[in-house]
Amino acid sequence: NAGVTQTPKFQVLKTGQSMTLQCAQDMNHNSMYWYRQDPGMGLRLIYYSASEGTTDKGEVPNGYNVSRLNKREFSLRLESAAPSQTSVYFCASSESGTGELFFGEGSRLTVL
Amino acid sequence: GENVEQHPSTLSVQEGDSAVIKCTYSDSASNYFPWYKQELGKRPQLIIDIRSNVGEKKDQRIAVTLNKTAKHFSLHITETQPEDSAVYFCAASGGGDSGGYQKVTFGIGTKLQVIP
Repeated sequence: NAGVTQTPKFQVLKTGQSMTLQCAQDMNHNSMYWYRQDPGMGLRLIYYSASEGTTDKGEVPNGYNVSRLNKREFSLRLESAAPSQTSVYFCASSESGTGELFFGEGSRLTVL
Repeated sequence: GENVEQHPSTLSVQEGDSAVIKCTYSDSASNYFPWYKQELGKRPQLIIDIRSNVGEKKDQRIAVTLNKTAKHFSLHITETQPEDSAVYFCAASGGGDSGGYQKVTFGIGTKLQVIP
C-alpha cells in the first residue's frame, strides 16, 4: 500500500517552460488536492477534486491547470512556468471532503 | 472564506516542558479542526483532530482543546521530547461547499524546537 505517490520529486525549469506533476493514490479516496508550501505561508490550496469528474479552484489557482484522469490520478500542469511558482508542491487525498488528508512526499520545483 | 491564524510562528522549549500552540478561525460554520506535524523534509501527517461536538481530545502526550464560542483551538504537548521538534500546522474545515466538500484552510505553521 503506497498511499499517495507523486512525481517528480525534484524539477528545475526555465521561465516559460511547461511541466506536469503527477499524483496517484491507491486508497480508493474520492477527493484529491494540490497544495503549495512556501516559507511563512503554510499550505495553500491550488486546486481540488471533490470526486472523480469534478475539479475546482482553491486559493491560488492562477498559472495552473489540473486533470482528474480517473479516481486514482490527479495531475497538476504549469503551462508557462514563472519564478513565483518556485515552491514545494504536495498532492493529497481524503476519503471524503471532511476528514484526514493523506499527503504525498512532495515535489520541489525551482523556476529560474 | 475561512481564515486561520496561528501563533507563535516559532517556539523553543526545554525537553520535558510543555508546548502550547494556538489557532483562531473566522468561519463559525467550521466543524473539523485537525493538526498536522511536518518533520524536516517530510510530508505533513495528521497527529490529532477534533470535531465541533467535543471540547477536548487527548492522545497520550498530545491534547487539543476547542472553544467554539471564541473560535479558537489549541494544541498542547506535554513532556516534550527532541523527536517532537517539527513544524505543526492547525487547520479548519467546514462551512459547506458543492457536493458536501469542505475546504481545508491551514494556519501558517509553528516551528517547534525541543532543546535537549
